[in-house]
Amino acid sequence: QKEVEQNSGPLSVPEGAIASLNCTYSDRGSQSFFWYRQYSGKSPELIMSIYSNGDKEDGRFTAQLNKASQYVSLLIRDSQPSDSATYLCAVANNAGNMLTFGGGTRLMVKP
Amino acid sequence: EPEVTQTPSHQVTQMGQEVILRCVPISNHLYFYWYRQILGQKVEFLVSFYNNEISEKSEIFDDQFSVERPDGSNFTLKIRSTKLEDSAMYFCASNSGEYNEQFFGPGTRLTVL
Repeated sequence: QKEVEQNSGPLSVPEGAIASLNCTYSDRGSQSFFWYRQYSGKSPELIMSIYSNGDKEDGRFTAQLNKASQYVSLLIRDSQPSDSATYLCAVANNAGNMLTFGGGTRLMVKP
Repeated sequence: EPEVTQTPSHQVTQMGQEVILRCVPISNHLYFYWYRQILGQKVEFLVSFYNNEISEKSEIFDDQFSVERPDGSNFTLKIRSTKLEDSAMYFCASNSGEYNEQFFGPGTRLTVL
């Protein structure tokens, strides 16, 4: 059973701070990793993808991948109240034709 | 920006009835998926579809479920005889095939009474 684990939170940060979200996965053969944002009652929205070890930056978002430790993280710089949502970590299988999701971390950014 | 669309947004049905959930994937995408999310729980994979065939399915996707691409634009999920436990948000997703990035539609909320 392939597992993706996240701390459910809530993670509360003040506006302007850095939010750090973490995820671990069990399938050592996984090659593709994704972060989705889900507002309450809405669908998952893809915000970052990462495929190789190291950091990948896109605007205020940085994804970090460490395959040896089976660990993925997402940093959100200059957090805004509009970033308040649940962040889902998703890992693709080897064939790339299914995603396994973690339970999500609820982020609250306080003005 | 192109997006996945789904209809209806909300479907209410009686237990034992058949429902068909509809999706229009992004137009140049080749891979299609259905996921579901029971209220308060994880997003769960149901099935993936490529080249008019199922390429992967989960244990949830039993004989009560089927998928079809009836024409060049629609992708449907049929549940033959709904159960109370089928009540969930059902999300369609699509992927161009260039990367493994899957883009989700807004979902259909299915309520089985």
